[in-house]
Amino acid sequence: RKEVEQDPGPFNVPEGATVAFNCTYSNSASQSFFWYRQDCRKEPKLLMSVYSSGNEDGRFTAQLNRASQYISLLIRDSKLSDSATYLCVVNLGTGGFKTIFGAGTRLFVKA
Amino acid sequence: EAGVAQSPRYKIIEKRQSVAFWCNPISGHATLYWYQQILGQGPKLLIQFQNNGVVDDSQLPKDRFSAERLKGVDSTLKIQPAKLEDSAVYLCASSLVAGGQYEQYFGPGTRLTVT
Repeated sequence: RKEVEQDPGPFNVPEGATVAFNCTYSNSASQSFFWYRQDCRKEPKLLMSVYSSGNEDGRFTAQLNRASQYISLLIRDSKLSDSATYLCVVNLGTGGFKTIFGAGTRLFVKA
Repeated sequence: EAGVAQSPRYKIIEKRQSVAFWCNPISGHATLYWYQQILGQGPKLLIQFQNNGVVDDSQLPKDRFSAERLKGVDSTLKIQPAKLEDSAVYLCASSLVAGGQYEQYFGPGTRLTVT
C-alpha cells in the first residue's frame, strides 16, 4: 500500500462545476497535511494547509479526518485556471518530519 | 524575496556519465529538500537536510547518488554513473524549518534526460 494515495485522474469538469479530490495516508504518525498545486511543467506550489477543524480559502475547502486517515479538497465554481495537478502532501511527525507526496490528481476544467 | 534557485535548467547526458545539480535555497531557510519527479508521478523525496546535517536519505540510491550541503546553505546533488531510469525532473525545495505547517518553496527544477 502506498503511503499517500490519491484519486486517479483525470477529472474533466465544465466551468462552474464543483469537484472533490480525496487522499488517504497510511502512517498514523502523520502530523501535518497540505494540498499543493502543480501546473504543467512547473514546480509545485502550496495551495493550502489542511487543519483538523477544516479550512476554507475562497472557493477551496480542505477537510481532514484523522480517524479515517483521509484528506479531501473541494473546489467550487471551477474556473479554467483551476486546470492543474493537485498533490496531497503529508509530513510525518517522526524521522525529521519526512515529507511524502501523493501521485497527484489531474483536473481539466473546460469551457 | 528571491526564490529557490536551481541550475542547470536542462541537462542531457548519456548513460554512465556523471551529472551535478546545484541549488540555492531561500535565505534563512534551515531545511532543504531534493526531490525526483518522474513524468506522471508525484515528487519523491531523495534527501532532506536540516542546516548541513542529513535528516532523511532513506530513498536516495546511495550507490550512485550523493548530495551535500556545505555550510548549511547551497546544496549539490550528484549522479554517478547515470542510468536511463534517472531521467526525471530534480526539484529542490526549502522551508524555514521542517515539520509543522511550514510551506516548502520549490525551485524551477532541473530536467534531466539520460540517453
